[in-house]
Amino acid sequence: EVQLVASGGGLVQPGGSLRLSCAASRFTFSSYAMSWVRQAPGKGLEWVSSISGSGGSTYYADSVKGRFTISRDNSNNTLYLQMNSLRAEDTAVYYCARAYPVPGTTNYYYYYGMDVWGQGTTVTVSS
Amino acid sequence: QSALTQPASVSGSPGQSISISCTGTSRDVGYYNYVSWYQQHPGQAPKLMIYEVSNRPSGVSNRFSGSKSGNMASLTISGLQAEDEADYYCSSYTRRSTVVFGGGTRLTVL
Repeated sequence: EVQLVASGGGLVQPGGSLRLSCAASRFTFSSYAMSWVRQAPGKGLEWVSSISGSGGSTYYADSVKGRFTISRDNSNNTLYLQMNSLRAEDTAVYYCARAYPVPGTTNYYYYYGMDVWGQGTTVTVSS
Repeated sequence: QSALTQPASVSGSPGQSISISCTGTSRDVGYYNYVSWYQQHPGQAPKLMIYEVSNRPSGVSNRFSGSKSGNMASLTISGLQAEDEADYYCSSYTRRSTVVFGGGTRLTVL
């Protein structure tokens, strides 16, 4: 079964840093763009960042640009999100998600939709 | 980047049809056919229900359909069932190469 397992969340003080990981299994990881999406407590979904399959292109929401860095290790099938200068408003469940492999295409772009999601890892920014 | 606009809640009785609107701008929904819809049950990760405005991934019931006109997209669920009760989110690609979600709509099956 295709699977994503997110980890690395926890409690961190404002201004602190955290690195999230997302381990992928049972699909050709390097063929898929990947994304991070977060959900604050009781709130809706917010797109955070995406990365192309090769890792050569990255995209960020304005709310995290300059503070968060998305990366991937295709040899180890792992996606990362380095989060620096954390703020209280970054408190959320962070999901990693895979780009949907639209039939008839060979490049699976992040904006096609997200069909496989991790279970989420909780980040709490508080003093 | 402002979120796409969705009604906070909709409701319907079993067997009925409901529609959820998703209003964006000419820089996102109105410009691209990259509108997706997601279903989220409490405590669970979202599930992709519609991609590219009106296409269903394999395994998604044909009771779910999507459409778009101008800057507004819509999700229609026909033959409502109790298991459809959930939160629904639309998303769109934007001209800034970002993705924007709607605020979410809670569907209640009466």
